[in-house]
Amino acid sequence: GAVVSQHPSWVICKSGTSVKIECRSLDFQATTMFWYRQFPKQSLMLMATSNEGSKATYEQGVEKDKFLINHASLTLSTLTVTSAHPEDSSFYICSAPPGGSFRGYTFGSGTRLTVV
Amino acid sequence: AQSVAQPEDQVNVAEGNPLTVKCTYSVSGNPYLFWYVQYPNRGLQFLLKYITGDNLVKGSYGFEAEFNKSQTSFHLKKPSALVSDSALYFCAVRDGGAGNMLTFGGGTRLMVKP
Repeated sequence: GAVVSQHPSWVICKSGTSVKIECRSLDFQATTMFWYRQFPKQSLMLMATSNEGSKATYEQGVEKDKFLINHASLTLSTLTVTSAHPEDSSFYICSAPPGGSFRGYTFGSGTRLTVV
Repeated sequence: AQSVAQPEDQVNVAEGNPLTVKCTYSVSGNPYLFWYVQYPNRGLQFLLKYITGDNLVKGSYGFEAEFNKSQTSFHLKKPSALVSDSALYFCAVRDGGAGNMLTFGGGTRLMVKP
């Protein structure tokens, strides 16, 4: 149980275009979703926390207008990278904290974004 | 504020030998501690967690970790390493008294050589 499905797994886009990444909780309701960014050989850096029914909370230094986060329902959170540039190329991972009885946090499989 | 330190960027071990990946943490409340493994271009897979109870926690794939409150450590161990254990390992902490956010260590690359 407790599966988070993340799509797409990888995407290549041109500079200036926008890319949407989706994370869906398949068998539980995720009122909160954490969005991380990971550079090669580095740790996960929290970008923002999305909450169903309210505005996302962004970490310091993360551009709200560039990384649009929407938590449309209890099972869907999306991250849109707007006007992507090569420096946005990275590995993006979502994670939902456990609901009900405490379990390990569930992570999506990640999205490799390459902007050319 | 909560933080996690993984002092080793890489750990090398021969197959069949025991392995240890170190982790120390800092939280203001009671720590909830986790270990995750990541394979290339994949998300994180849960290995084990400590919330309360026995200090020695057993997890997936033969891994275990020991919670040491006095040393604020949560080192990951395995008695006999496999080549397939080679991956990136992350320690993470959550402050049990404050929110759901996990803070990750910098990661340790484990290389197991045949």
